[in-house]
Amino acid sequence: DQQVKQNSPSLSVQEGRISILNCDYTNSMFDYFLWYKKYPAEGPTFLISISSIKDKNEDGRFTVFLNKSAKHLSLHIVPSQPGDSAVYFCAAPITNSGYALNFGKGTSLLVTP
Amino acid sequence: DTGVSQDPRHKITKRGQNVTFRCDPISEHNRLYWYRQTLGQGPEFLTYFQNEAQLEKSRLLSDRFSAERPKGSFSTLEIQRTEQGDSAMYLCASSSSGTVYGYTFGSGTRLTVV
Repeated sequence: DQQVKQNSPSLSVQEGRISILNCDYTNSMFDYFLWYKKYPAEGPTFLISISSIKDKNEDGRFTVFLNKSAKHLSLHIVPSQPGDSAVYFCAAPITNSGYALNFGKGTSLLVTP
Repeated sequence: DTGVSQDPRHKITKRGQNVTFRCDPISEHNRLYWYRQTLGQGPEFLTYFQNEAQLEKSRLLSDRFSAERPKGSFSTLEIQRTEQGDSAMYLCASSSSGTVYGYTFGSGTRLTVV
């Protein structure tokens, strides 16, 4: 079963505007969340993370927000740039696992000039 | 160090054949992971090593799959008697003790079983 869900397969945003990518999870035991970015023909690259003790983490143009009561997190990219066009994956640690991750199906972001 | 290297980048094999993939992690990383990604899906965990010890295996890792990391450096993933359902991107990642979940992934090996 998919414990980390990204319900929007794709998103298109104009350059300079805000991109908001969403992720829902089902397991309230998750205590850490990550976002990865993937370009074609490359492996995923770690982007930003957030612990469940926080509700926001910011790194430059990237901010992740966590709403534990709604079991929802979102990644905001401001301002969006064409180089941000990629597939973005939300991930959380697999319960009772050492360091393995559950990944969502990904959202393909296209930033147009 | 140029990151995590995987070889080959692409592999086409006939159903029933055995295939082996290699992963060279970042040299100072003691943890190594194998994931599989199919079209439209996110990466799915297969197995994980800490140094040379294989500490976890997913239910996805059937008995046709075997992974090794003999000296705690490079790793191999072997698939015996390949099936068409094994067609996927096989991703290797590594991390150090200090960065538990922030893996560095390789570019993957794309397997096509015909």
